[in-house]
Formats: sequence, C-alpha cells, structure tokens
Amino acid sequence: DSGVTQTPKHLITATGQRVTLRCSPRSGDLSVYWYQQSLDQGLQFLIQYYNGEERAKGNILERFSAQQFPDLHSELNLSSLELGDSALYFCASSAGGGTGELFFGEGSRLTVL
Amino acid sequence: GESVGLHLPTLSVQEGDNSIINCAYSNSASDYFIWYKQESGKGPQFIIDIRSNMDKRQGQRVTVLLNKTVKHLSLQIAATQPGDSAVYFCAEKYVGDYKLSFGAGTTVTVRA
Repeated sequence: DSGVTQTPKHLITATGQRVTLRCSPRSGDLSVYWYQQSLDQGLQFLIQYYNGEERAKGNILERFSAQQFPDLHSELNLSSLELGDSALYFCASSAGGGTGELFFGEGSRLTVL
Repeated sequence: GESVGLHLPTLSVQEGDNSIINCAYSNSASDYFIWYKQESGKGPQFIIDIRSNMDKRQGQRVTVLLNKTVKHLSLQIAATQPGDSAVYFCAEKYVGDYKLSFGAGTTVTVRA
C-alpha cells in the first residue's frame, strides 16, 4: 500500500459528460501529480501541484483541469468527455517538489461509452 | 520530443534466470532515473533509483546500471521469480524539472 488513495476505482460514463477524480496523497506529502495511462501505453504526465499551487503542466487537454485543496487532496476534472479519454488516471505524491520517488495510487479507470 | 524509451516491449525469462531490462534515454540533462514495476490492475511501484553521479546501485535482487556515455539505463533482476511478472517502466527527471517522464514499458513474463 503506497498510502495514496484514489476514488473512484472505476467509472463508466457517456461522451459529453463530466467527471471528477479524487486523490488523497500520502500523509505529509506536499506534491501531487496526475498521469494518464491509455491502453498499452506508458504514463503521460498531465499536471503537478505543490502545496496548493500548480507547479508543472504536461500534455493536459483544455477540457481537463485540476486543483489541490488546502488539505492537500487533489481533484482532476474531465469535461466534454470523448471516447479517447478512456484510460487509467493515476495520482502520485511525493514529499518535496519532485526530486525523488513518486508514490502512486491504484488508479481510476475511466471508460467513456 | 525527447523521451525515455525501452529497447524491447516484451521479455520472456525462465524462472530462476537473471533478467535484464534495457532503457535508452535521450536527454543528457537528466539527473535522476528510476525503475517502476506495474502489476496488472495496480499502480506503479518503486523498484530502485539512481542519480546521475552514480553508475551502479544495488537493491534486493535488483541492480540498476547507468551508462551516461551512451545514455543507457538497465535493470537487472537476479533469480527471476513468477512474482516478477509485470510491466517495467524506466523514468527520468530532467535537471530543473519536477516531474518524471516515463518510457513505454517492457512486459516481463516469467516461465515456470
């Protein structure tokens, strides 16, 4: 158990809809990262937050947004969903700003029909 | 763009043999490298890491080798066990960056 909690584990929705994925980092970790893993693909970096502030942005679509709250949990919002958004979405956390190991959650599997 | 990549997408190994998983990286400015293992239905788990000022690091049954001259990273697993069957990812962090950039992964299958 990495200590990173993601909910929901599975989510099935329709095209055009909006979903929110939630992540609770390990106790004490200030950084939260979001990654997307499509079928048979590697992990694509989406966005990072550090202590409530956006720190780095990757190939995140404009339809996607995220935030980190004062209690350090994070949410990833995916809107106007398309079939191609079906993927595993992983949250990871680290103690600092990104100089070491990331601890990953079990992921949220999103299926868009 | 620059990315971390693995030489082979799949690797089949006999139980008890040693496994070597290779990874080529293209960014000479990377200062930190890490190997993750991802079992089916789970999130990536840390295996071992190495900083660019080292060329070898050993863990329990695993060794990571870093060759900066040819920008090559490898993971050696000694006495491979059925529980080692998984997808293995190498990842790198660029100097001044905060995120890890992942390669495509190598699927390791252990034959009994």
